[in-house]
Amino acid sequence: KAGVTQTPRYLIKTRGQQVTLSCSPISGHRSVSWYQQTPGQGLQFLFEYFSETQRNKGNFPGRFSGRQFSNSRSEMNVSTLELGDSALYLCASSLAKQSPEEKLFFGSGTQLSVL
Amino acid sequence: AQSVTQLDSQVPVFEEAPVELRCNYSSSVSVYLFWYVQYPNQGLQLLLKYLSGSTLVKGINGFEAEFNKSQTSFHLRKPSVHISDTAEYFCAVSDGSARQLTFGSGTQLTVLP
Repeated sequence: KAGVTQTPRYLIKTRGQQVTLSCSPISGHRSVSWYQQTPGQGLQFLFEYFSETQRNKGNFPGRFSGRQFSNSRSEMNVSTLELGDSALYLCASSLAKQSPEEKLFFGSGTQLSVL
Repeated sequence: AQSVTQLDSQVPVFEEAPVELRCNYSSSVSVYLFWYVQYPNQGLQLLLKYLSGSTLVKGINGFEAEFNKSQTSFHLRKPSVHISDTAEYFCAVSDGSARQLTFGSGTQLTVLP
């Protein structure tokens, strides 16, 4: 069974640009969550999608958005990039059983560098 | 609101020695606690979790953790570490959804030969 796939693996952008990151969950998983990982702030929850609907959102500005498609694949978009957006963006998928017992499976992440 | 504090940012230890990585949490409600491991250039992998029941939780790769409600701690232990355990370890807390986690700042475990 293929794991969570994130593309691209590395990305370099300049300030003011926008970027789109992609996440393909494990087959059969219906929930996709996104996290931002930086050396200063650590791992922070961005948002979660289930059945094409955003179900939870972390404390990030509106420049950060996402969506989920009918096949459960998800994209996140960051507009008007700032230097501080440089981070490893991790995607995680799960079966979405509405139970704390469910297990999150993480991808290897997309390393975004903003110059 | 929940928070997680990992008291040590770096823990160096010699191979075959025991190790304890410390984690304290704060929450106003019942919590679920997790330890994740991140190897270089990889995503996070679940080591173990505490949901309820026995306060001693056993995970993968020989790790275990003990939930202590009175001390609001969830320390991770391994009796004998290997070089391959070198990685960053994250403690996390959730108040219900395993998908929306609050993570600690991480502890880099370096196992020395």
